[in-house]
Amino acid sequence: NAGVMQNPRHLVRRRGQEARLRCSPMKGHSHVYWYRQLPEEGLKFMVYLQKENIIDESGMPKERFSAEFPKEGPSILRIQQVVRGDSAAYFCASSPPIGNNSPLHFGNGTRLTVT
Amino acid sequence: SQQGEEDPQALSIQEGENATMNCSYKTSINNLQWYRQNSGRGLVHLILIRSNEREKHSGRLRVTLDTSKKSSSLLITASRAADTASYFCATDVGSFNKFYFGSGTKLNVKP
Repeated sequence: NAGVMQNPRHLVRRRGQEARLRCSPMKGHSHVYWYRQLPEEGLKFMVYLQKENIIDESGMPKERFSAEFPKEGPSILRIQQVVRGDSAAYFCASSPPIGNNSPLHFGNGTRLTVT
Repeated sequence: SQQGEEDPQALSIQEGENATMNCSYKTSINNLQWYRQNSGRGLVHLILIRSNEREKHSGRLRVTLDTSKKSSSLLITASRAADTASYFCATDVGSFNKFYFGSGTKLNVKP
């Protein structure tokens, strides 16, 4: 029973390029969350998605960032025209569709470095 | 900010000692969860305590919740070197299972 799978584990992009981060939730989970973590800091909520639906994107920058969770395939976090400040670890988590009190299951993250 | 905030930021103890970490938050919550993160890895769920619960145990872990003070504590008894990690509290606000994380307590257990 595979856990949350994120790829790539490490991603290096030059300023101005696009970064695509992928997340496959645990089997049976239909809720996906993206978090961002800077070194020595906690996780900052970015976006919460269900299949084909963005539930809450209040933590995501209005420009350059977008997320999707299509009917088929992984969830994608897309960062256009990356800048050095986008360098961070991006974590995806998933939970089952059973309402509140469900713990989050995290992937091992994608470490984005912008040069 | 609605985030939980952990205290202390860093804690260094000897193997066998107990480790206590605290978390304070600002708004009413449905539940509070504690997570652990090993270096370079994702977070692992440890324990969940609901707002109507005051104390919960799981193995060597003991969590308390005081909603009047908006605070929680995580106690790890008889610590081991393998407990070395960062520990985060997460509070949920609203009805969408959306969690806010604090900055974490970095625990170092010396063998």
